Amino acid sequence: DTAVSQTPKYLVTQMGNDKSIKCEQNLGHDTMYWYKQDSKKFLKIMFSYNNKELIINETVPNRFSPKSPDKAHLNLHINSLELGDSAVYFCASSQDFRQNTGELFFGEGSRLTVL
Amino acid sequence: KQEVTQIPAALSVPEGENLVLNCSFTDSAIYNLQWFRRDPGKGLTSLLLIQSSQREQTSGRLNASLDKSSGRSTLYIAASQPGDSATYLCAVEINMLTFGGGTRLMVKP
Repeated sequence: DTAVSQTPKYLVTQMGNDKSIKCEQNLGHDTMYWYKQDSKKFLKIMFSYNNKELIINETVPNRFSPKSPDKAHLNLHINSLELGDSAVYFCASSQDFRQNTGELFFGEGSRLTVL
Repeated sequence: KQEVTQIPAALSVPEGENLVLNCSFTDSAIYNLQWFRRDPGKGLTSLLLIQSSQREQTSGRLNASLDKSSGRSTLYIAASQPGDSATYLCAVEINMLTFGGGTRLMVKP
C-alpha cells in the first residue's frame, strides 16, 4: 500500500486553465505539506496543514489554493495556470509538525506542464 | 535565508567503494537534518533523521553525521552497491524544510 499517493502523476494543460492535484496519506499523520520543485531541483514548501488547519502559507500566488477536507487529504488547486507553474509538485506528510522530530514521507510527485 | 548546498552534484564509483556525500547549510539554528534518496519515478525515501542535539545516526551501511556549529553534515555509505544508485538529498528544518540540490550517485557493477 502506498503511504502517500498523489494523482495525477503527469498533467499537461493549456495556459489559463484550472487544475487540481490530489494527495492522500494512509499513515494516520496529522500534518501534510505541498512542496514545489524548482528549476534548480530545490524543493520549496508551499503550504502545510495540521489536522485540516493551515499552518504554513509561503509566498505563493493566490492562484494556488490548498484544500484539506480531512487530515488524510490535502489537495492543491491552481487557477489560471501560467507557464511558470510548470514544475514537479510533491505532497508529504509527517506525524505532527509541532514535534519537529517527525520524518517526512513523500508522494511520488506530480509533473505539471503548462503549454 | 537558509541555503543548503550539496557537493558533489554527481558521483560515479565502482561497486564496493566507501563514499561520502557532503551537505552544508548557512543557518545553524535547525531542528533537525534529514537525508533522503530519490529513485527515478518514485517519491523521496527518508534514510536518516538527525535531531539538532545529536551528532550522528546509523542505519545499516549508512552513517550520517551532523556538525551544527560548522553547518555541515556528511552521509557515509559503506561498501557501495549498484542498488545504492539514486539521487541523495539532504534537508534541514527550522520552520520549514529546505532541501539541497542533491547528489546523483551511480554505483557501477
